[in-house]
Amino acid sequence: AQSVTQLDSQVPVFEEAPVELRCNYSSSVSVYLFWYVQYPNQGLQLLLKYLSGSTLVKGINGFEAEFNKSQTSFHLRKPSVHISDTAEYFCAVTSKGATNKLIFGTGTLLAVQP
Amino acid sequence: DTAVSQTPKYLVTQMGNDKSIKCEQNLGHDTMYWYKQDSKKFLKIMFSYNNKELIINETVPNRFSPKSPDKAHLNLHINSLELGDSAVYFCASSQGSSMAAEAFFGQGTRLTVV
Repeated sequence: AQSVTQLDSQVPVFEEAPVELRCNYSSSVSVYLFWYVQYPNQGLQLLLKYLSGSTLVKGINGFEAEFNKSQTSFHLRKPSVHISDTAEYFCAVTSKGATNKLIFGTGTLLAVQP
Repeated sequence: DTAVSQTPKYLVTQMGNDKSIKCEQNLGHDTMYWYKQDSKKFLKIMFSYNNKELIINETVPNRFSPKSPDKAHLNLHINSLELGDSAVYFCASSQGSSMAAEAFFGQGTRLTVV
């Protein structure tokens, strides 16, 4: 069975500061990894995904994530955040070739302060 | 021209009632999903349909019955509503059953059972 752990339920950060949101997963098979963002009262929007190839993945809005197989991590980073980045961020995993369902972490609230 | 639209956006109802949530996507996708987000923001898949056929049915009470009249629609009917059914329900769609495909989410339906 797969699982996703997002250790930080909330990350406060000042505007223009860098941020890292942590995500660790467990799986006995190869995986695809995703980061989704949920703005207040909105649905989820895909930020980026790792399928294969380069372990550094760039997404929308200046976000990037690095897949680290040995540490089973897929941390999300942004060098300089804006107030508009305030949202809930979800890491998700699914196994390659298996049933098409995403397993989500419990989310991290990124709270950007002026 | 919303890609994945759900109705209603808010639903308040009494215990024991029967209610339906509708979902429509205009992206031409062949796979649709229902996810449930609880009060702690934990997201879990409930059902998935591919070309109108049920392909994922997680451990969900029989009171929940999805119906897909065509590829563009996936409705969720809930019988005998209970307090624990209160949650945000998200519809999503993707092209193909591979999870490498991006899932597009609706804005959610906030169900409150009183």
